[in-house]
Amino acid sequence: DVKVTQSSRYLVKRTGEKVFLECVQDMDHENMFWYRQDPGLGLRLIYFSYDVKMKEKGDIPEGYSVSREKKERFSLILESASTNQTSMYLCASSTHHLPLLGTPIEQYFGPGTRLTVT
Amino acid sequence: ILNVEQSPQSLHVQEGDSTNFTCSFPSSNFYALHWYRWETAKSPEALFVMTLNGDEKKKGRISATLNTKEGYSYLYIKGSQPEDSATYLCAFTAYSGGGADGLTFGKGTHLIIQP
Repeated sequence: DVKVTQSSRYLVKRTGEKVFLECVQDMDHENMFWYRQDPGLGLRLIYFSYDVKMKEKGDIPEGYSVSREKKERFSLILESASTNQTSMYLCASSTHHLPLLGTPIEQYFGPGTRLTVT
Repeated sequence: ILNVEQSPQSLHVQEGDSTNFTCSFPSSNFYALHWYRWETAKSPEALFVMTLNGDEKKKGRISATLNTKEGYSYLYIKGSQPEDSATYLCAFTAYSGGGADGLTFGKGTHLIIQP
């Protein structure tokens, strides 16, 4: 079974703190993703990575950065946490290959980290 | 930014009744359409992934259909049970030449089954 783990289920931080959210997958997946989920807005992509040391901005990268030093680990960094970053953060991973039609790439999700910034 | 719409936003259904809800997505550069079930305090769980126009998938009492030409997918639940209570997410992947993009999610349909 694919396993995606996140370092914390619940986290409370103060405004201005630097926050690290860690994600680890054990399936040797090339792709890793960070999303946030907010009521009424659904899941939104923050950043993703196709390979070690590679990163791409998603739809809402402002206020975040990422780090991918090892294939299995993808970190989301809030340089200076703000109250509008209070949210549920989900990590996901998937394989990466040149797709043939009919062979879509499935993403596997971690359990989420509920971050509260006060 | 791609637009993926789900309706309704929330739904209350009596146990034993059947129900369905909709996902609409861009019909151009279509690669795949995913359905996930997300139960409280758990990870989103993949239900179906569909790629071909006219695809129909079934898992137990849950099934899904796909129309890529008009850009919609339906999810059906037959004989709803309390354990079906969850948020159902659809997600769209566009084809981008060298590889598929990340998923673009709808806002979800929050389903509550009432005993």
